[in-house]
Amino acid sequence: QVQLHESGQGLVRPSETLSLSCSVSNFSLGHGYFWGWIRQPPGRGLEWIGHIHHTGTTYYSSSLRSRVSISMDVAKNQFSMKMTSLTAADTAVYYCARGGYNDPYDYWGQGAHVTVS
Amino acid sequence: IVLTQFPDTLSVSVGERVTLSCRASKTVRNYLAWYQQRPGQGPRLLISDASYRATGVPSRFSGSGSGTDFTLTINNLEPEDVAVYYCQQRNYDGLTFGGGTKVEI
Repeated sequence: QVQLHESGQGLVRPSETLSLSCSVSNFSLGHGYFWGWIRQPPGRGLEWIGHIHHTGTTYYSSSLRSRVSISMDVAKNQFSMKMTSLTAADTAVYYCARGGYNDPYDYWGQGAHVTVS
Repeated sequence: IVLTQFPDTLSVSVGERVTLSCRASKTVRNYLAWYQQRPGQGPRLLISDASYRATGVPSRFSGSGSGTDFTLTINNLEPEDVAVYYCQQRNYDGLTFGGGTKVEI
């Protein structure tokens, strides 16, 4: 069973940068798939942020592209996201998941609560 | 590509058949997935590529459609099916989720 676990800051000040990591167990990132980030503001729906392949190929949401970067460390079997210039509108639960470009998101992390205040 | 789900909310009885709809602003071929999000939980993949049930998903869930119009059907609704259901498309341009349909008893 593939497992994902998000970690990072829970509270970020406005204008600062959010850094989150996703550790993956029971599957090697170097073996394929895209790996993505999705967020969900309180009481609202899901919003795609972006995804990355172990070859380094990345795709980002057009609305967040200017503020987001996703990277991967295959040796550590984890991938990460940075989001700059945060505002209160970025308060959300941030999920990492396996899938994206070629596949649906079939495995999800439990979610990381991030508050911008 | 914008995905529109309707209705926003469905109030149904246990044992009923439920039909949820998802319409795309342009064709997504069959690259459409459905997710279930129970209260307080993360999303769970139910259906991939419009009609393929994910591993472990009960057979009462089924998906259909192609192009721009898709349907998720839940037969014999059970209390544990109370959730918000999201559709999601993927294409070369990126990925989008629908706004969700809430199913309540």
